[in-house]
Amino acid sequence: EDQVTQSPEALRLQEGESSSLNCSYTVSGLRGLFWYRQDPGKGPEFLFTLYSAGEEKEKERLKATLTKKESFLHITAPKPEDSATYLCAVQANNDYKLSFGAGTTVTVRA
Amino acid sequence: DADVTQTPRNRITKTGKRIMLECSQTKGHDRMYWYRQDPGLGLRLIYYSFDVKDINKGEISDGYSVSRQAQAKFSLSLESAIPNQTALYFCATETSGSTGELFFGEGSRLTVL
Repeated sequence: EDQVTQSPEALRLQEGESSSLNCSYTVSGLRGLFWYRQDPGKGPEFLFTLYSAGEEKEKERLKATLTKKESFLHITAPKPEDSATYLCAVQANNDYKLSFGAGTTVTVRA
Repeated sequence: DADVTQTPRNRITKTGKRIMLECSQTKGHDRMYWYRQDPGLGLRLIYYSFDVKDINKGEISDGYSVSRQAQAKFSLSLESAIPNQTALYFCATETSGSTGELFFGEGSRLTVL
């Protein structure tokens, strides 16, 4: 069974204080690893897809990286508008569904 | 207007009542999903549909049923609601091909007393 574990559960940052979120996974053949952002009262919003170890994707202050066992979401010089819950999900080869982690809630204080 | 619309957004009901949550989309996607979100547990798949004639159970389908009335509409029913079905429910769509890029609605918060 696919498993996704995200840490920490919550992260409080000062504006400009860079940090990283971790997503550890076990899957029988990785088809893709996905990062989503969820704002309070909203549905998750797609950020990135990573397919193979060593791959990196960037969007504004966010950069996602992937190894064979985990993915990191780096937040560089965060701003208050980066406050959200970040969800990680994996999809196995020959499978349709995503298995989601419980998320990391990031709060950035001005 | 939102691409994926869920109704109602909030609902409080009593144990034993039948509840329907509705989802409609304007993205033209074939694939539609119903997820449940609980604190600390992440999103869990209830049912999914790859086209109008295709309905499949997800990992937590017991106590739920669905109907795909059209390409754009996918409804989730709780035949006899119970308190542990209190949760935030999300509908999502995906273009064909298992891209993993899901488009979510804004959620339906259900409370069963």
